[in-house]
Formats: sequence, C-alpha cells, structure tokens
Amino acid sequence: NAGVTQTPKFQVLKTGQSMTLQCAQDMNHNSMYWYRQDPGMGLRLIYYSASEGTTDKGEVPNGYNVSRLNKREFSLRLESAAPSQTSVYFCASRPEGGEQFFGPGTRLTVL
Amino acid sequence: DAKTTQPPSMDCAEGRAANLPCNHSTISGNEYVYWYRQIHSQGPQYIIHGLKNNETNEMASLIITEDRKSSTLILPHATLRDTAVYYCIVRTGTYKYIFGTGTRLKVLA
Repeated sequence: NAGVTQTPKFQVLKTGQSMTLQCAQDMNHNSMYWYRQDPGMGLRLIYYSASEGTTDKGEVPNGYNVSRLNKREFSLRLESAAPSQTSVYFCASRPEGGEQFFGPGTRLTVL
Repeated sequence: DAKTTQPPSMDCAEGRAANLPCNHSTISGNEYVYWYRQIHSQGPQYIIHGLKNNETNEMASLIITEDRKSSTLILPHATLRDTAVYYCIVRTGTYKYIFGTGTRLKVLA
C-alpha cells in the first residue's frame, strides 16, 4: 500500500495562476481532508469530504475549490493564486471510526 | 468550535517520561481529544485519542481530567526519535478536526 500520495511535491506559481493539487489514497477510506500549514503554525482545515460525492467547508475555504472525483481521489484547486496561499498543503484520509492518515505534503510558493 | 492551548516548547531528558499538557476548556460533551505529532515537516502521525476515560496504547498514555477541560499526553520513556511537534486536537462532529499550534518537544541526550 502506498497510503496517501500527493502530487506535486513542490510548486511555484505566479499571482493569478491556477493549479490543482492531487491527492489519492489506496486504503478504501471514506473520508478525505485538505489542510494548509503556514510556517510555525498548526494545520487548518480547508475542505473535507465525508464520502464520495460530498464535500464540506472547513475553517479556511476561501480561495479554494475541491472535487471528490471518486473514493480514491480528492483534489484541491486554486483558481487564482495569491501570495497569502503560500503554504504547505496536506491531504489526509480516514476510515470510519479510525484516525487520519496524512500524505507527505505539497509545498506551494506563490510569487 | 472548541480550541486547544499548549505550551510552545518543552525539553525532556532521554529515558524520562515526557508529560505534554493541553487545555481545552470549551470542549463539548461529545468532542474527542486527539494527539498527533509531526516530525520535521512530514505529515502528522496519529498517537492516541480519548473521550472521557484515560487511554493507553503502545506509544503513549492519555490522561483526561474529570471535567474534560484539560488533558496530558505521556510518553513513558522518551527517546531522541520522539523529538517532534505534538498537537492536541479536538474533533468537532464526525469529521472536523481543530488543530492548535502544538508543543515542540526536544528530547535531550
């Protein structure tokens, strides 16, 4: 099992550019999550998906959209990147009644 | 949503118990307390969780006060590999996890 995988590992964007962060899990988990972590800070929930076909806003959803493409994949899209979105982005998945498993993160810089 | 408060940093001698406190005074009756840790800049790793009762697993023990307003994570015999940032988290509802800013634990040789 690969667990939770994220692509890309690193990305540099210019202000106004768009991009999609990809996340996939091979553990057959129902729920999936997107977090951001700013330097020296804890993780903040952007969006989550309780199951295939559903998504809900977390603490900091503004400027982001998500798609739960199927049970395995949960993508995060930045339509018009801003320097304030420079952060490390973590995806996680969770089985029913279990704990979250995190991916290795995507380090995004917006110039 | 309930928030957590943790000391920003702590040191612990190798082989000794590390006791990491967390305050969650606004926690509701059905909200769980979780602990995760993050080593370097990797994705966080689950340690333990509880609702009311004390819990123990192969990694750590979790002590929750009777009023549930605070808890303590205990690493019984800290090693250098336990150096990490430890997050106390309240799970609100079934899916929403609220992270605090964490405690940076340094285990000293």
